[in-house]
Amino acid sequence: EVQLVESGGGLVQPGRSLKLSCVASGFTFSNYGMNWIRQAPGKGLEWVAYISSGSSYIYYAETVKGRFTISRDNAKNTLYLQMTSLRSEDTALYYCARQTLRHFDYWGQGVMVTVSS
Amino acid sequence: DVVMTQTPPSLSVAIGQSVSISCKSSQSLVYSDGKTYLHWLLQSPGRSPKRLIYQVSNLGSGVPDRFSGTGSQKDFTLKISRVEAEDLGVYYCAQTTHFPPTFGAGTKLELK
Repeated sequence: EVQLVESGGGLVQPGRSLKLSCVASGFTFSNYGMNWIRQAPGKGLEWVAYISSGSSYIYYAETVKGRFTISRDNAKNTLYLQMTSLRSEDTALYYCARQTLRHFDYWGQGVMVTVSS
Repeated sequence: DVVMTQTPPSLSVAIGQSVSISCKSSQSLVYSDGKTYLHWLLQSPGRSPKRLIYQVSNLGSGVPDRFSGTGSQKDFTLKISRVEAEDLGVYYCAQTTHFPPTFGAGTKLELK
């Protein structure tokens, strides 16, 4: 069974940093591109970042480019999102999602990030 | 960015009824490989999104055949035949043809 389990969220002050993790199981993690997608409270879905299976290709949404860094450790079956210079508008539930055939086929349960003073 | 417009924003249905949700994109979603990367997701209350349909009409594994997707270019439809209680939630269309991936605002399916 495919499982994606996010962690690392919490309450953080504006301008500070936070690092999210997503541990994958039930599939060969190193064979799949992975994404971070977020959902602000009561809002819709916003794609944040993508990393290819071997980390050769990395893309970001304009809203986070230069502040967020996506990475992965295939030996640990783990995806990361390093978030710096956090803003109130980054407050959201962050999901990791597996990508196959150019779509998001499995999603984690999400981890909440709240940016507030 | 490609704008995905879903209608209606909400639907009130009775169990057993059939419903359709529309999704229109601001650009054609046909990719250079000839495929159309338009997908449908369901977010049940309090849950994370779940893939329903990918590339317009392909059912995800375990998705009942009460769900079907049609459409082309810029105009797409999700149909649910014989709605069941487990189908309630917010439906999103998503495109991954163009960068960045974008989502519709969602259609909330509620019980009448």
